[in-house]
Amino acid sequence: DVVMTQSPLSLPVTLGQPASISCRSSQSLVHSDGNTYLHWFQQRPGQSPRRLISKVSQRDSGVPDRISGSGSGTDFTLKISRVEAEDVGIYYCMQSTHWPPYTFGQGTKLDIK
Amino acid sequence: QVQLVESGGGVVQPGRSLRLSCGASGFNFNTYTMHWVRQAPGKGLEWVAAVSGDESHKYYADSVKGRFTISRDNSLNTVFLQMNSLRPEDTAVYYCSDGDSFGFWGQGTLVIVSS
Repeated sequence: DVVMTQSPLSLPVTLGQPASISCRSSQSLVHSDGNTYLHWFQQRPGQSPRRLISKVSQRDSGVPDRISGSGSGTDFTLKISRVEAEDVGIYYCMQSTHWPPYTFGQGTKLDIK
Repeated sequence: QVQLVESGGGVVQPGRSLRLSCGASGFNFNTYTMHWVRQAPGKGLEWVAAVSGDESHKYYADSVKGRFTISRDNSLNTVFLQMNSLRPEDTAVYYCSDGDSFGFWGQGTLVIVSS
């Protein structure tokens, strides 16, 4: 099984400052079709998960452009250029290249300092 | 727009069974793989099971294999999760989600396994 490792697990950030979350996989997430199936999800307090980014860097509809994804192979990053109050929550990376099982990172809790 | 609505959760004793449902609308349901993902209280996300659009392929996490069965009824746009031999560690909010990249999620249904 592919193990997804996120860091940090806790991320206190001052409003207006940038934030960055790392996600590393135990093996390359490049699929034989050439795509990399690494996705990012946000779970606000008391809410269901919501996908933010698919396939490393494709922002979902309604996701502000201050949120971006990058990376390749086994190393990936979610960046928020200027943190706002609505960004508070837990962020998960997930891979759907090598399945089953589909595997998630442990989650990174972002809160306001 | 896409909507996923889970139901069927509740409190159940260890060893008993429960059947969850997820009704879908707003997309071509029978062409999408559907998933169940769960989240134990205060914990992260765990993929549980998946079923292909035509129900020809089913996949399970090791933690539920042999106890849970995923199925779907494309005429009803609904996916099911039959959970047998429930254990306290199956206590979680169960979400359904769609596709290869989990683009949409329901609101979840809470299952509590306790005597």
